[in-house]
Amino acid sequence: SQQGEEDPQALSIQEGENATMNCSYKTSINNLQWYRQNSGRGLVHLILIRSNEREKHSGRLRVTLDTSKKSSSLLITASRAADTASYFCATVYGNNRLAFGKGNQVVVIP
Amino acid sequence: EAGVAQSPRYKIIEKRQSVAFWCNPISGHATLYWYQQILGQGPKLLIQFQNNGVVDDSQLPKDRFSAERLKGVDSTLKIQPAKLEDSAVYLCASSLETGQGVNEQFFGPGTRLTVL
Repeated sequence: SQQGEEDPQALSIQEGENATMNCSYKTSINNLQWYRQNSGRGLVHLILIRSNEREKHSGRLRVTLDTSKKSSSLLITASRAADTASYFCATVYGNNRLAFGKGNQVVVIP
Repeated sequence: EAGVAQSPRYKIIEKRQSVAFWCNPISGHATLYWYQQILGQGPKLLIQFQNNGVVDDSQLPKDRFSAERLKGVDSTLKIQPAKLEDSAVYLCASSLETGQGVNEQFFGPGTRLTVL
């Protein structure tokens, strides 16, 4: 299976703290993407990291990729209540197809 | 720019009934995808269209699911007859024409289907 698997599944943190979630996958990839899903905005693309990249930043997001371990991590710094959502990693295979993991539930307590 | 539109937003049916979902992608996006997201899981790709042709339908349960994109713009996903395990959110996404490289997928709000 191409699907990523996130770890941990659920995370509850105080506003201002950092949140880290991990994802593992099983086969070779060209790139890996992270998505956020909440009731307000649906499923939204956050960041893409290519297989030849090790780290990428976007605002308060930091993504790392370790292709030797077939794993990725997403760090959200200085979390806000609005970051409360489910976060999914997705590997890209074939012709731009996405294989999603099961997701991390993150709750940021104000 | 208008996003991906889907309707209806919610649907409740009884098992063995039929149901259809509609999706209108972002203007100019040649590629359209249908995903099924069961509660507590990530979305699973059902079918991918490039213009009006099917690129991948390997995970579509073809005995009961069908999809079409006749004019290469909007698309319809149908379930006939529905089973209890079809209860899920059905997400439509679109992207620019895929060729070399990766194009970001934009998702619609989804249709939440409950089969009783």
